Amino acid sequence: QGQLVQSGPEVKKPGASVKVSCKASGTAITNSMHWVRQAPGHGLEWMGRVGASGGSSSSTQKFHGRVSMVRDPSTGTFYMYLNSLRSEDTAVYYCARGTDLRALDIWGQGTMVIVSS
Amino acid sequence: EIVLTQSPGTLSLSPGERATLSCRASQTVDRSNLAWYQQKPGHAPRLLIYGASNRATGIPDRFSGSGSGTDFTLTISRLEPEDFAVYYCQQYGNSLYSFGQGTQLEIK
Repeated sequence: QGQLVQSGPEVKKPGASVKVSCKASGTAITNSMHWVRQAPGHGLEWMGRVGASGGSSSSTQKFHGRVSMVRDPSTGTFYMYLNSLRSEDTAVYYCARGTDLRALDIWGQGTMVIVSS
Repeated sequence: EIVLTQSPGTLSLSPGERATLSCRASQTVDRSNLAWYQQKPGHAPRLLIYGASNRATGIPDRFSGSGSGTDFTLTISRLEPEDFAVYYCQQYGNSLYSFGQGTQLEIK
């Protein structure tokens, strides 16, 4: 079925920015790429999505102005940028393939981001 | 934003028993926009059901989904040891996605 491969763990200080990458292997992204996060011991939180070609991104109001989701056309890699980090942003960040069926059928392995002074 | 509320928070059952998990939406959700996921500790979620009642590829037929409007249900007919995990419902509406807070299914 293919897989999504994400970048490694990150440790950042409050106020800094983080970049998480996600690359498809053995499968194609034809609809959209989503970003979902999960704080330690908590549930899943949908952050937003970007179209397969890198256009038409959208995110929840909670992250407006702090998150950017893009695609590098030269490599096909998707990136999620989150700035002005605070301790509450400590979480595992997942990318997930969106489908026409409004479900997320392939998930990356997750990237742990720790925000700590 | 549509809020999904799952119940119960924790469900304690034994292998072989039937599990019924509920997901209630704050507004009407189109059946085609409702999905269920399973997540085990240390792993990414796995898609189980899409379109409220369609099993994803490779999902055993002991998993079934039903419901419409604001009330949806995931049923596991006969629990296997590997089914004990956390389950999430997810919806799409008004150009946004959201997840329920999850139901932990634990071994009794």
